[in-house]
Amino acid sequence: GQQLNQSPQSMFIQEGEDVSMNCTSSSIFNTWLWYKQDPGEGPVLLIALYKAGELTSNGRLTAQFGITRKDSFLNISASIPSDVGIYFCAGNYGGSQGNLIFGKGTKLSVKP
Amino acid sequence: GAVVSQHPSRVICKSGTSVKIECRSLDFQATTMFWYRQFPKKSLMLMATSNEGSKATYEQGVEKDKFLINHASLTLSTLTVTSAHPEDSSFYICSASELTSGRNYEQFFGPGTRLTVL
Repeated sequence: GQQLNQSPQSMFIQEGEDVSMNCTSSSIFNTWLWYKQDPGEGPVLLIALYKAGELTSNGRLTAQFGITRKDSFLNISASIPSDVGIYFCAGNYGGSQGNLIFGKGTKLSVKP
Repeated sequence: GAVVSQHPSRVICKSGTSVKIECRSLDFQATTMFWYRQFPKKSLMLMATSNEGSKATYEQGVEKDKFLINHASLTLSTLTVTSAHPEDSSFYICSASELTSGRNYEQFFGPGTRLTVL
């Protein structure tokens, strides 16, 4: 079946540092989405990518849809304590109902 | 926009009882709603996909008679955990895709329901 590999699994950084995480798939995806989940809450959509090569920003967040359509990365610049949480990538390979496949998440910890 | 609510946020029940969880899209019409289960420190596991007015599509290994899904309208889907047992204790999250935006792969999630079965 379809699989997403998300790395790193966890990160411990100092406030103000930049962060980068990525996802790769074993097959081509049509859509890449990045979500953030706080403890005890549902995931919140951060960025959606629809075209190969697309680079999209949302405040301090930047994400790119890889040219091969098999990968995506998310960068966070100048991290702040409220960036703490679990970040999930998700992709759709063209399933008719819009089903997403989720990565296993990257847990981000930020030291003030 | 694209707000999804879930009710209740927490529920504790006795083994053998049934629990109903509601998922509502508050400011948009949802073509499709999805139900996920999440174990501690794990990713989201899709349980089923439902479209308004039709039967839900369940993922492999998910018992459809155990987890009853009803999608009565474009803004409401319910998940009923029937005859709940302690192993059903989990965090259940719904999501919804918007009908007319053309970006229907974007799923908007509810805040989740923490189910504890004693």
